[in-house]
Parts: sequence; structure tokens; C-alpha cells
Amino acid sequence: AQKITQTQPGMFVQEKEAVTLDCTYDTSDPSYGLFWYKQPSSGEMIFLIYQGSYDQQNATEGRYSLNFQKARKSANLVISASQLGDSAMYFCAMREVYGNNRLAFGKGNQVVVIP
Amino acid sequence: DTGVSQDPRHKITKRGQNVTFRCDPISEHNRLYWYRQTLGQGPEFLTYFQNEAQLEKSRLLSDRFSAERPKGSFSTLEIQRTEQGDSAMYLCASSLAESELWAVLPLHFGNGTRLTVT
Repeated sequence: AQKITQTQPGMFVQEKEAVTLDCTYDTSDPSYGLFWYKQPSSGEMIFLIYQGSYDQQNATEGRYSLNFQKARKSANLVISASQLGDSAMYFCAMREVYGNNRLAFGKGNQVVVIP
Repeated sequence: DTGVSQDPRHKITKRGQNVTFRCDPISEHNRLYWYRQTLGQGPEFLTYFQNEAQLEKSRLLSDRFSAERPKGSFSTLEIQRTEQGDSAMYLCASSLAESELWAVLPLHFGNGTRLTVT
């Protein structure tokens, strides 16, 4: 069974600073995908970035980058140059290819960007 | 560009009543998922369809819950005899089925239906 762990307490980050959100996962499936989603207070889940288990390079999407360390089973999200609109809950999630097709989520990290 | 749409956005109902939610996925997406999210938690998987076939159901989906996707397009989630513990955000998501085993595609979520059972 897949498991996602996000244990950081709520985080405050200064505008324009970078913030790293931790995510560790557990799976026995050799092929899987890791995702980060953003959920603002309005409730919608917004897809941010994806990392495949076979990808050799860390994924980047604009100000988002994923620090993928396969041996340590970690997939940390880095948000560079934080903006006020980045204040939200951030969820790490994983889907296994050979296992079930569920996208399993962690409990999320709360980020508040302060001016 | 039409994303995943869900209706209604909010539903308040009395305990014991039945409720039905609708989800319209992104048109070319053949997979459709239902998730439930309670306060302070990540979304939890309920069920998913590939085209019109319901391929998997979570143990969270009690016999009071039923989901359908009759023509492989929109889906409905019905909760019968609602209980206060059913109060949550119900999220629908859609995706394409992967054609390559090494490529895992993201799910695209709707804005959710927030259910409050009084």
C-alpha cells in the first residue's frame, strides 16, 4: 500500500523568499508518479508539478521545482520567489503504475506568505 | 478551455435526506475519480471509472453511496440517508488513461461540492 508523509507544521515565509515543503513516500511499485497540488482557501485542487519514478532529472515548472531523491523516497517541493498568492495548502500525492490507480495524498502543508 | 465542473458547489441537507452530486469531466478524459476531503486532511479516494465501467471502490464507500457514469461522460455520486459524518468536500477529478506504463498522468480536479449535513 502506498503512503505519503507530510509532517511539517504550518509555515510562514517572507515574500520573495524560497520555501521547501517536505514529502516522503513509501511504495513497493517500481513505477510511480509523484505530484504536488495546491489548494487555496477557495477549495480547488490545482496541479503544480509531476515527477516520474524513472525520470533522471528533477522536474521544474516555473517557480516550482521538485527535489526528487529516489533512494531516500523523498519528493520535496521548492517554491522560489514566494508571492502572496502562494498562500495555500500544498499536498504531495503519488500514483502507482502497477498497483491500484488511486492518487494517494498526504495530509498537506499550510504555507502563509507574509509581505 | 473547460475544466472539470461540479454541481452544486454547496449543499446543505438534513440528516436522513438523499443528495446527488454531478461531475462533468474534461471532455477527452476517459477516467473519472471521486474523492472526499474532510477538514485538515488530504483527499481520500472513493471510486473511479474508466469510461462507463466502475473499476475500483474504496472501503470508505459504504452501501449508502453509489456512483454512476452511464455513458462514460458525466458522473453522479448519490448519498442516501445522509449522516452528519458525511459532511465533507466531495471532489471529482478526471484524467486520460496512460498509454505508457512509465508515464503517469496527473488528475485534474473540479472545484468540489461542499456538503453540510445538519
